[in-house]
Amino acid sequence: GAVVSQHPSWVICKSGTSVKIECRSLDFQATTMFWYRQFPKQSLMLMATSNEGSKATYEQGVEKDKFLINHASLTLSTLTVTSAHPEDSSFYICSARKWGSEQYFGPGTRLTVT
Amino acid sequence: TQLLEQSPQFLSIQEGENLTVYCNSSSVFSSLQWYRQEPGEGPVLLVTVVTGGEVKKLKRLTFQFGDARKDSSLHITAAQPGDTGLYLCAGVYNTDKLIFGTGTRLQVFP
Repeated sequence: GAVVSQHPSWVICKSGTSVKIECRSLDFQATTMFWYRQFPKQSLMLMATSNEGSKATYEQGVEKDKFLINHASLTLSTLTVTSAHPEDSSFYICSARKWGSEQYFGPGTRLTVT
Repeated sequence: TQLLEQSPQFLSIQEGENLTVYCNSSSVFSSLQWYRQEPGEGPVLLVTVVTGGEVKKLKRLTFQFGDARKDSSLHITAAQPGDTGLYLCAGVYNTDKLIFGTGTRLQVFP
């Protein structure tokens, strides 16, 4: 149990366009979902925390108007990168947590902005 | 800003050797986790240590949490090529947030 999926697994988009990444908890209800970004050869950096039905909490330095997070249900959170630029190219990883448990990580989505 | 520094940053060893990875911080964490990540995948939890001084063993892997809950170590005995990957420590704060360490990239050659 405790499987988290992400879609798509990789995406290429043109500069200036928006791209949406989905994160789903497949076999449990996630009270909280987290979004991380990982640049090549680097560690994971927390971008934001989202709870179902409420606004996401963004970490310092993360633009909330650029990285739109929607947590519409207990099994789905989406991250939309708006007006993407090449510097937004990265590996985006989500995690999901049910009450009182650890975070379960998705397989990641590689975004390349050309 | 809370930082978790890992050392070494890179480690390249032969199969059968032992190694230790360190994770250090100036902050106290309620608990600390170790993850392993393979290229193009999400991190996978190896262990959670909670009590200062705690030692946990997972087959050939031994994890220790410092007495002051600011540092941790991961020791691998008789490393195998299958141990190759990125090892990340992560401190737990604010009940559920994780701050990840800088990472240690391990390569084990047969």
